[in-house]
Parts: sequence; C-alpha cells; structure tokens
Amino acid sequence: ETGVTQTPRHLVMGMTNKKSLKCEQHLGHNAMYWYKQSAKKPLELMFVYSLEERVENNSVPSRFSPECPNSSHLFLHLHTLQPEDSALYLCASSQFPRGPREKLFFGSGTQLSVL
Amino acid sequence: EDQVTQSPEALRLQEGESSSLNCSYTVSGLRGLFWYRQDPGKGPEFLFTLYSAGEEKEKERLKATLTKKESFLHITAPKPEDSATYLCAVQVGGSEKLVFGKGTKLTVNP
Repeated sequence: ETGVTQTPRHLVMGMTNKKSLKCEQHLGHNAMYWYKQSAKKPLELMFVYSLEERVENNSVPSRFSPECPNSSHLFLHLHTLQPEDSALYLCASSQFPRGPREKLFFGSGTQLSVL
Repeated sequence: EDQVTQSPEALRLQEGESSSLNCSYTVSGLRGLFWYRQDPGKGPEFLFTLYSAGEEKEKERLKATLTKKESFLHITAPKPEDSATYLCAVQVGGSEKLVFGKGTKLTVNP
C-alpha cells in the first residue's frame, strides 16, 4: 500500500459508545495530523504529532484522545461524543511538522455520524 | 485574527469555459500559500505552493498566482474531470499553522 490509509471509512456511533479511528502512512514521514472537516466550515486542525510526540493540541475536547505509537501509525480514540461531532475526520502526514515547504498528504477520511 | 476567504463558494462552467477562483487572506506573516483539490469522498490532494508575491505555478490546465493579498487559481479550458472542491490554505509565520478557506466547489459540465 502507498500513501495514507484510514479505517474505517464510515462509522456510526451512539453518544455512549467508545470507538477508535486508525491512520497509517507508508511515506516515511515524521509528522502526522488529525483534521476535522464539517460541512460549510474550513478544515480544523486538531492534533499534530512529530516523531511520536504531540506538538500541538488545538483546544480539542477531551472526548477526543489521540495516540501515536510510532511514526507510521496514528489513532483517534472517541468516547461520549456529541451529535455536533459528526464530521469527516482526516489524517495527514508530512515529512516534517513545521516549515514553509511542508505539503500535507491526506488520507480519504472517516465519515463519522454520532446519533 | 488570521483569515482566508475563498470565492465564489460554488462555480458551474461549461467544458472549455475558462475562469478563475479567488483566495484572499489577512494573516500576520505569510510563509506560504497552498492549493489543494478535494474530490467527493476523498481527502485533499496537494496542487501548488506559492511563497512570494508575483510567483506563478502551472500544472496542466491550472495556473496559480499570488499577490500580497490574494491568490488566483486560473482554469483554462476546463474538462469535466476538473470538477472538485478547491481548497486554499495559508501558512502563518510564528505558529507555522495552516489556515484553510472553506473551498470553492467547481462543476464542469460536458
């Protein structure tokens, strides 16, 4: 496989469920990101990991918990979500986390619906 | 507050009808401006990066330009396969974060 792979592609969960989103990158990159994409809104950065260390957390509610066990894998653990958390969750990677020349490589996303 | 505004929100063109998409920004310290293309059900795909006013980049039917306050994505003789949402993002100095616009949804009819 090449690029950035996200699973599952679709997820429906109740507000009391616990689920996890998975992301894997096959590009040898050192930085990984979680973004949230809601209808009619710009992409919102949630978390940034550089070499498995979290370097940015954009005031995301604690019901979202990221985990980066190594530079190729990223998880987003979800619990007690709200209906307004329904959105497309995108994982991305880049060679380095900062710098003006860093383009992001995105996965296809997980479409999350919270009932 | 750093802001990126894209216009129009949606654009319908006939095949072969050239047009431009706009991305205007008000940020403190531009480090770079990025254009991405997003197809339905997929993540954004990188197109271009521009760093300084006057810079231009081209790829097939697309040409991106940059001034001190805005960027244009010119589409020459578009084809139906150019239909997608085009996202603009600005990298801000200091925090190095990317600020995205809401995108322009382009539809090219055959």
